[in-house]
Amino acid sequence: SQKIEQNSEALNIQEGKTATLTCNYTNYSPAYLQWYRQDPGRGPVFLLLIRENEKEKRKERLKVTFDTTLKQSLFHITASQPADSATYLCALLNAGNMLTFGGGTRLMVKP
Amino acid sequence: NAGVTQTPKFRILKIGQSMTLQCAQDMNHNYMYWYRQDPGMGLKLIYYSVGAGITDKGEVPNGYNVSRSTTEDFPLRLELAAPSQTSVYFCASTLMTGYNYGYTFGSGTRLTVV
Repeated sequence: SQKIEQNSEALNIQEGKTATLTCNYTNYSPAYLQWYRQDPGRGPVFLLLIRENEKEKRKERLKVTFDTTLKQSLFHITASQPADSATYLCALLNAGNMLTFGGGTRLMVKP
Repeated sequence: NAGVTQTPKFRILKIGQSMTLQCAQDMNHNYMYWYRQDPGMGLKLIYYSVGAGITDKGEVPNGYNVSRSTTEDFPLRLELAAPSQTSVYFCASTLMTGYNYGYTFGSGTRLTVV
């Protein structure tokens, strides 16, 4: 069956360090992969989209990689700040053009 | 722009009651979606629509119904509410799937069925 796996344990890092979050998937051949940020009590907010033929995408302090051989995407936040604390969701656009979400990883950046 | 507006924000239903969760977007998006999110879990697709008059089932449609009479509105109907429908419901929209378009989500409706 198709699965999208994100580390369910919270990631705790010190302010200023680089946060790296992982998204692994099985039994998918996604054309696109998206990352969203979700704050408590709020809806997800779209951050970045990366296509299968793109290895890396950057937006300000954010960087996403997409390895279709490893079936993995890495999401990096450089120079992390306490305001980056949130849950980050990865999502795959499958062949049916439906966006399927992983369970999310909670990031806590400590001052 | 208001984006995606969901009402109500909170609701408590008794078992067997019915209600409609409202969703409206003002971005002229063709695609609209309803997801539910249970604590610590990812979002699961309930129903979606690719345009006015067209709807289809997602991963977990049982116990729900939708309609799409206009581009702007996509209400979700719960008939005979059950405790298993206690969840946070999110409506989302997008102009076009894939490409450079992410989904725009509403702020959610927190529903408790007792």
